[in-house]
Amino acid sequence: DAGVTQSPTHLIKTRGQQVTLRCSPKSGHDTVSWYQQALGQGPQFIFQYYEEEERQRGNFPDRFSGHQFPNYSSELNVNALLLGDSALYLCASNPRTGVYTGELFFGEGSRLTVL
Amino acid sequence: DQQVKQNSPSLSVQEGRISILNCDYTNSMFDYFLWYKKYPAEGPTFLISISSIKDKNEDGRFTVFLNKSAKHLSLHIVPSQPGDSAVYFCASETGNQFYFGTGTSLTVIP
Repeated sequence: DAGVTQSPTHLIKTRGQQVTLRCSPKSGHDTVSWYQQALGQGPQFIFQYYEEEERQRGNFPDRFSGHQFPNYSSELNVNALLLGDSALYLCASNPRTGVYTGELFFGEGSRLTVL
Repeated sequence: DQQVKQNSPSLSVQEGRISILNCDYTNSMFDYFLWYKKYPAEGPTFLISISSIKDKNEDGRFTVFLNKSAKHLSLHIVPSQPGDSAVYFCASETGNQFYFGTGTSLTVIP
């Protein structure tokens, strides 16, 4: 049973460029959330997707956008990259139905460096 | 606005002793409280959770205590083992939105 998978694992971009990160949720999960973890900080909620729509959004600018596909996989897009966007981007999935435990399942993350 | 705070960036404990990790929160509307463990180059993994209607939950060596009046959460690990060395994040959830603390790096000394 594959867990949450993310790609790429590492990437380097320059200021002003755009980046797309990808996530496949754990089998049986239909809800995907994205988090940004800066160095020395905890994960910060970016947004959540369910039924191919953005359901909730944290305090991030419109440069951060996403998409969820019919197979529940998701993309995170960041436009006009800034140096401060350098971080580990974590994808998490959880099921909407069933017994609720509050547990999120995380991928290993995509490490983005902006130069 | 940091709704979940972990004020101790690091903690060192001897193997076999108790590790106590603390967390404070500000939002009384949180429904669930969770602890996650993170090793380098890996994503956080779920450790234990507690509903806001309970004050204690135990799973093996791990026990989470919730003090709602103080808005305080703690994780007890007994006995501590070297493999427990990792960064521990507490998290709080409401409306399927999660808020994480900044983490406490636990080192268990053999």
